Amino acid sequence: NAGVTQTPKFQVLKTGQSMTLQCAQDMNHEYMSWYRQDPGMGLRLIHYSVGAGITDQGEVPNGYNVSRSTTEDFPLRLLSAAPSQTSVYFCASSYWQGGAYEQYFGPGTRLTVT
Amino acid sequence: AQTVTQSQPEMSVQEAETVTLSCTYDTSESDYYLFWYKQPPSRQMILVIRQEAYKQQNATENRFSVNFQKAAKSFSLKISDSQLGDAAMYFCAYRSGETSGSRLTFGEGTQLTVNP
Repeated sequence: NAGVTQTPKFQVLKTGQSMTLQCAQDMNHEYMSWYRQDPGMGLRLIHYSVGAGITDQGEVPNGYNVSRSTTEDFPLRLLSAAPSQTSVYFCASSYWQGGAYEQYFGPGTRLTVT
Repeated sequence: AQTVTQSQPEMSVQEAETVTLSCTYDTSESDYYLFWYKQPPSRQMILVIRQEAYKQQNATENRFSVNFQKAAKSFSLKISDSQLGDAAMYFCAYRSGETSGSRLTFGEGTQLTVNP
């Protein structure tokens, strides 16, 4: 298994540009989520999904869209990038294991918006 | 809403010694899980240890152990016999037992330095 994969690893955007951060997992996990990591603030939940066709907002959803058409993929879309979206983005998937959810994180995407 | 607080932005320890990282949380729920994650310079998030709130016994994983004080809403991580490879950012995280497995609330992180 490749686990949770994210592309690209690094990206530089100009203000107003759009892009999609890709996330895929090959473990057949039901649950997937997107977090952003900013200095001094830990990781904050952007959007999450409990299964194909079902998504919901997390703590900081503004400026981001998601969809979940398959179990494997959970892309994150920035429609009009802003400098405030400069961050490191993590995708995660999880499943029920041994009485709790075991969460797996991808390697992260570092996004800079100028 | 739940909150997680790590009041130590930075900590340092001598190799082979013991260090304790602090974490407090606020919740009105009785069913929840607590985690410590390690993030080395590679950025990869690595699960260190997990504690179920309904368990009174503190979790241990080799050199890592927790002191879970449910009434005080405290969840500290003790690293014994510290090694150079333990140097990383450590995050405390909370997950409600009443919601799906996707939603973690993280603290601000503690940067741990291990001195040789």
